[in-house]
Amino acid sequence: DVKVTQSSRYLVKRTGEKVFLECVQDMDHENMFWYRQDPGLGLRLIYFSYDVKMKEKGDIPEGYSVSREKKERFSLILESASTNQTSMYLCASSQTGTYNEQFFGPGTRLTVL
Amino acid sequence: DQQVKQNSPSLSVQEGRISILNCDYTNSMFDYFLWYKKYPAEGPTFLISISSIKDKNEDGRFTVFLNKSAKHLSLHIVPSQPGDSAVYFCAAKGGYSGGGADGLTFGKGTHLIIQP
Repeated sequence: DVKVTQSSRYLVKRTGEKVFLECVQDMDHENMFWYRQDPGLGLRLIYFSYDVKMKEKGDIPEGYSVSREKKERFSLILESASTNQTSMYLCASSQTGTYNEQFFGPGTRLTVL
Repeated sequence: DQQVKQNSPSLSVQEGRISILNCDYTNSMFDYFLWYKKYPAEGPTFLISISSIKDKNEDGRFTVFLNKSAKHLSLHIVPSQPGDSAVYFCAAKGGYSGGGADGLTFGKGTHLIIQP
């Protein structure tokens, strides 16, 4: 079974703090994605990566950065957390190819006070 | 511009009856469609998918129908069970609208509530 794990299920941070969210997948997938989910807005793509050290902006990259130093690990960084970044953060991975689904981690509920 | 639309934010169905969740899309480049199910405080889990060359795909109680000319797909769950209560996301692939070639474009979700 594909497993995508995220470093924390719940996180509380203060405004201005630097926040690291870690994601690890164990299926040697090329692609990894970071989304945030907010009520009524669905899943919105923040950043994605299709290879080690490669990264591409998604639909809402402002205020975020990412790092992919190893194939299995994709990190999301909030350089200076703000209250409007309070959200559920979801990591996903997939193999390259049309008929491959994305596998999601359990999510990190981040609250910024 | 929302390329994948789920126009019903919520749907209430009686246990044992059929649940029908709808999804419309605008990008004719989409060639693969997926449904995900999400419980609160958990990540989405893949449910069922359909390629654009098919019009129906069935997996147990779940069937997805695709009408390419209408740019519409639907998920049928029969019979509906209490454990089906969740948020269902429709997603489409191949439109190059975000996430590269392997990216998914998601709808905003429909909250399905199964009533006893």
